[in-house]
Amino acid sequence: GEDVEQSLFLSVREGDSSVINCTYTDSSSTYLYWYKQEPGAGLQLLTYIFSNMDMKQDQRLTVLLNKKDKHLSLRIADTQTGDSAIYFCAEFGSSNTGKLIFGQGTTLQVKP
Amino acid sequence: GAGVSQTPSNKVTEKGKYVELRCDPISGHTALYWYRQSLGQGPEFLIYFQGTGAADDSGLPNDRFFAVRPEGSVSTLKIQRTERGDSAVYLCASSYRPGYGYTFGSGTRLTVV
Repeated sequence: GEDVEQSLFLSVREGDSSVINCTYTDSSSTYLYWYKQEPGAGLQLLTYIFSNMDMKQDQRLTVLLNKKDKHLSLRIADTQTGDSAIYFCAEFGSSNTGKLIFGQGTTLQVKP
Repeated sequence: GAGVSQTPSNKVTEKGKYVELRCDPISGHTALYWYRQSLGQGPEFLIYFQGTGAADDSGLPNDRFFAVRPEGSVSTLKIQRTERGDSAVYLCASSYRPGYGYTFGSGTRLTVV
């Protein structure tokens, strides 16, 4: 079945780059998403990538997709303390109902 | 409206009671989704509406859970005979087409005591 896996925790220093990784199982995924969740808040869409792309850059965010290995990563350049949050990877899979399958989230801690 | 609105933001109820959670999607969004997020987990899909009909309810955990969207906009998630295990944040999202451009609400935190 569909499954999305993420590492649970990442700690970086302010100003460094952060790389959050995700693996998924559904080879027919069409879109892959990254969401950010701050404490007590809803999910904020950060960026997404179509499955026919290898890379997408959006300001400080770079998404890399390795479709062969079903591996997705999110790189945050010049990480700031305001980037501290939980980051979720999600796939829009083979179902045509648009449901997203989420990973369990990676907590990013940014130390000053 | 400007975003997806969910009410109430917090709900505390006693075990065995009935609760209703409301979602007001972005105007014009025909697709509406309910998800449940337990502590330390990612959101899990519950049900999807396209217009007024439930196109996919495969995520509803059992028959105590039911959702409606009678006029194709506002949706209500209904939980009967609540159990402590139902405690979670219930998230609603809408989009103008399935799988694309989801916007999530801030969620309703349900606590069953």
